[in-house]
Amino acid sequence: DGGITQSPKYLFRKEGQNVTLSCEQNLNHDAMYWYRQDPGQGLRLIYYSQIVNDFQKGDIAEGYSVSREKKESFPLTVTSAQKNPTAFYLCASSRGLAGGELFFGEGSRLTVL
Amino acid sequence: GEDVEQSLFLSVREGDSSVINCTYTDSSSTYLYWYKQEPGAGLQLLTYIFSNMDMKQDQRLTVLLNKKDKHLSLRIADTQTGDSAIYFCAETSPEYGNKLVFGAGTILRVKS
Repeated sequence: DGGITQSPKYLFRKEGQNVTLSCEQNLNHDAMYWYRQDPGQGLRLIYYSQIVNDFQKGDIAEGYSVSREKKESFPLTVTSAQKNPTAFYLCASSRGLAGGELFFGEGSRLTVL
Repeated sequence: GEDVEQSLFLSVREGDSSVINCTYTDSSSTYLYWYKQEPGAGLQLLTYIFSNMDMKQDQRLTVLLNKKDKHLSLRIADTQTGDSAIYFCAETSPEYGNKLVFGAGTILRVKS
């Protein structure tokens, strides 16, 4: 079955550590996205990528980094520079950037201790 | 600028209709979407409407679009306990590079 797989589902980290969240899709989609979800604030776009080896900052990119070395993979690194990293992170993909349906993963919940 | 607003919470009784409202600011929006998020999960597309339509019906779901007031609503008929979730309104428009802009989400609680 085609879909998006995020891992890990739950992650704990100490302050000052970098962590990487995995996102893999087998939908053959060109575009991939990372969103952050906080209660009462909806989804905020962190980074997005339209094509391999290219990505763009979203609305809240500070303290995050991404790479897009393969079409099916778009990992997100939460660095120690991110002031408030505890959140629910959602990865999504779509056929292209020109609107259309986003397909979401199940999410990764990061808690900083 | 980009702004999609929704009320945060709605509580209904099982069997009643639910109406979730959304306002948006970009008059050039091309598509407007409703996504559903169940607890601890990702979002799933429920339905969408193209900006030149006024209404779209899909089984228990009815979407109404008032372009003049930039108002979008989602009506769920015969609401069931399985409809309890967070519902997100989203728009896409050329002004935002065709990226989706989401509202904060409306928590729907269905009481049996």
